[in-house]
Amino acid sequence: DIQMTQSPSSLSAFIGDRVTITCQASQDISNYLNWYQQKPGKAPKLLIYGASILETGVPSRFSGSGSGTDFTLTISSLQPEDIATYYCQQYDNLFYTFGQGTKLEIK
Amino acid sequence: QVTLRESGPALVKPTQTLTLTCTVSGFSLSTSGMCVSWIRQPPGKALEWLALIDWDDDEYYSTSLKTRLTISRDTSKNQVVLTMTNMDPVDTATYYCARIAGYDRPIDYWGQGTLVTVSS
Repeated sequence: DIQMTQSPSSLSAFIGDRVTITCQASQDISNYLNWYQQKPGKAPKLLIYGASILETGVPSRFSGSGSGTDFTLTISSLQPEDIATYYCQQYDNLFYTFGQGTKLEIK
Repeated sequence: QVTLRESGPALVKPTQTLTLTCTVSGFSLSTSGMCVSWIRQPPGKALEWLALIDWDDDEYYSTSLKTRLTISRDTSKNQVVLTMTNMDPVDTATYYCARIAGYDRPIDYWGQGTLVTVSS
């Protein structure tokens, strides 16, 4: 099974900071990589799919990049409402795997 | 409007079988490309994908849990059912059902989740 390694596991940043979260797959997954945001007590919400395609309605400060095994989620200017846990997720031949999550906090 | 709603017991005893139902609306389980997955999340921990059933009634399971899981659907009731046998306290989690509108598509809609506690 493909493993997803997300880093860091937690991150503290100032409002307005540029924030980067990385996700590494244990083997080539092309661009089958999605990013979700989860706030406490809520179901995850899709942010980015196909590694770099912004889901409709998601603010443009969110962006995704990468292909193959290495992927990045970037928030260009952190806002208070971005406080959440972020998960990457890969799809490979009808098997899905999530990363361990990155908990984002405000400094 | 697409919605998914999980239902099932909040508490099960160790060794029992868990049965969860996902009732969907706003789309058809038989439409080409439509899939429903189950995902769980232990308290304070990461998401874990469990199983998927597609529009053609094909089933796919997590490698680590496949011996304990069965996913099925009733298109007349717009429902997808997950059973998990031999429940253990480590299976305590919020269980989500979610829609995937195509094999290579992301999860675009989630249910609100249902917390299942395994305890004697």
